Amino acid sequence: SQTIHQWPATLVQPVGSPLSLECTVEGTSNPNLYWYRQAAGRGLQLLFYSVGIGQISSEVPQNLSASRPQDRQFILSSKKLLLSDSGFYLCAWSRQGATGELFFGEGSRLTVL
Amino acid sequence: SQKIEQNSEALNIQEGKTATLTCNYTNYSPAYLQWYRQDPGRGPVFLLLIRENEKEKRKERLKVTFDTTLKQSLFHITASQPADSATYLCALDSRSGSARQLTFGSGTQLTVLP
Repeated sequence: SQTIHQWPATLVQPVGSPLSLECTVEGTSNPNLYWYRQAAGRGLQLLFYSVGIGQISSEVPQNLSASRPQDRQFILSSKKLLLSDSGFYLCAWSRQGATGELFFGEGSRLTVL
Repeated sequence: SQKIEQNSEALNIQEGKTATLTCNYTNYSPAYLQWYRQDPGRGPVFLLLIRENEKEKRKERLKVTFDTTLKQSLFHITASQPADSATYLCALDSRSGSARQLTFGSGTQLTVLP
């Protein structure tokens, strides 16, 4: 069966510090990978998606970047965090060519102080 | 501009009753619509998918309808239980490049009272 792991689960970072969130998927190959952010009381905002190694599409201009160094690894990064980067970050995957059901990780709660 | 609206941020119902959640959209032509459940501090979990050519889909106590003329989906939970309390999200698909993308509504927080 397929599983998705996301870490760290919680982190508190000062403004201006770097960020790295990691996500790995097991039990499938060549998945589509996604990073979403959820602000308190808000819906999910798509940040990045990837259809293959090294292929990253950004949905919104922002202070963040994403990379996919391996088929089942997706990394969300920032060189300098802003207060507005606080939120609940969710990694997800879907099967290539399928109807697009997303399978989410457990999320990473980021607080920027 | 494209918009997805889910009725009322919060909905309280009595145990045993049917909960009905609404998802309205504008400026989309989705091939399908999905519903997810999200518990506090957790990632959303996929529940049901309904295609544009389907009027209704059922899964156990869940029922989803999809009216592409009204641009609306209704999500029903029959014989509701306190364990059904959660936030329910609807999501519409759009295609960009070779990936299907989902855009989510802000969700409806359902509380089933014992």
